[in-house]
Amino acid sequence: DAGVTQSPTHLIKTRGQQVTLRCSPKSGHDTVSWYQQALGQGPQFIFQYYEEEERQRGNFPDRFSGHQFPNYSSELNVNALLLGDSALYLCASSQGGSGELFFGEGSRLTVL
Amino acid sequence: RKEVEQDPGPFNVPEGATVAFNCTYSNSASQSFFWYRQDCRKEPKLLMSVYSSGNEDGRFTAQLNRASQYISLLIRDSKLSDSATYLCVVNQAGTALIFGKGTTLSVSS
Repeated sequence: DAGVTQSPTHLIKTRGQQVTLRCSPKSGHDTVSWYQQALGQGPQFIFQYYEEEERQRGNFPDRFSGHQFPNYSSELNVNALLLGDSALYLCASSQGGSGELFFGEGSRLTVL
Repeated sequence: RKEVEQDPGPFNVPEGATVAFNCTYSNSASQSFFWYRQDCRKEPKLLMSVYSSGNEDGRFTAQLNRASQYISLLIRDSKLSDSATYLCVVNQAGTALIFGKGTTLSVSS
C-alpha cells in the first residue's frame, strides 16, 4: 500500500518564476492538505482540498493556489516566487478532514 | 499570540533520562490534540493522540489540561532513537491541524 507520494523531491527556481508541486494521497484517502515548513519552524497550513474544492485556507497570499483531481491527487502552484518561499512543502492526506494526517516526504524548494 | 506554543529547545539529555515537553494553545474551541515526531529532514509522523484522561504508550505519556489549555509529553528512559523534533498539534472539529514550532530532543550516550 503506497503512502503519500510527492514530486519533485527537490527543485531550484529563481525569483519571479512559477512552480507546481504534485501529491498523490495514501490509498483510500480523499482529503489532501498542504503545509509549508521553513527551516527551524513547524509546518504552516496552506490549504486543504476535499471533493476537488478548497475547503479551508491558511494565511497565505493568492500566489499560492491549488487543485484536486477526481482521483484525489493534488497540485500546489506558487506564482511570482519570492526568496521567502524557500521551504519544505509537505502534502498530507487523510480520510475526511480531521482524521490522522499521513505526510509525504515533501518537496524541498529553493528560490534563488 | 501564536495558536500553539512549545517549550524552546533544544533539550540535550543522557540516555535513560526522563524528559518533559510542554505546549499551550490559544483557541479554547480546540478539540483534538496530538504529538507528532519529525526526524531530521524527514516528514512528521503521528506519535500519539492526547486524550482528556491522559494516555500512555510504552515510555511515552501524554496529558491534556483543557482548563489551562496545556498539553504535555513525558518520555521516560530516553533512548538514542528518541532524538527528533516533537511537534505539538491541535485542531477544532473539521478544521486543519495547527502545528507548533517543535521542540528538538537530542539523547546522547
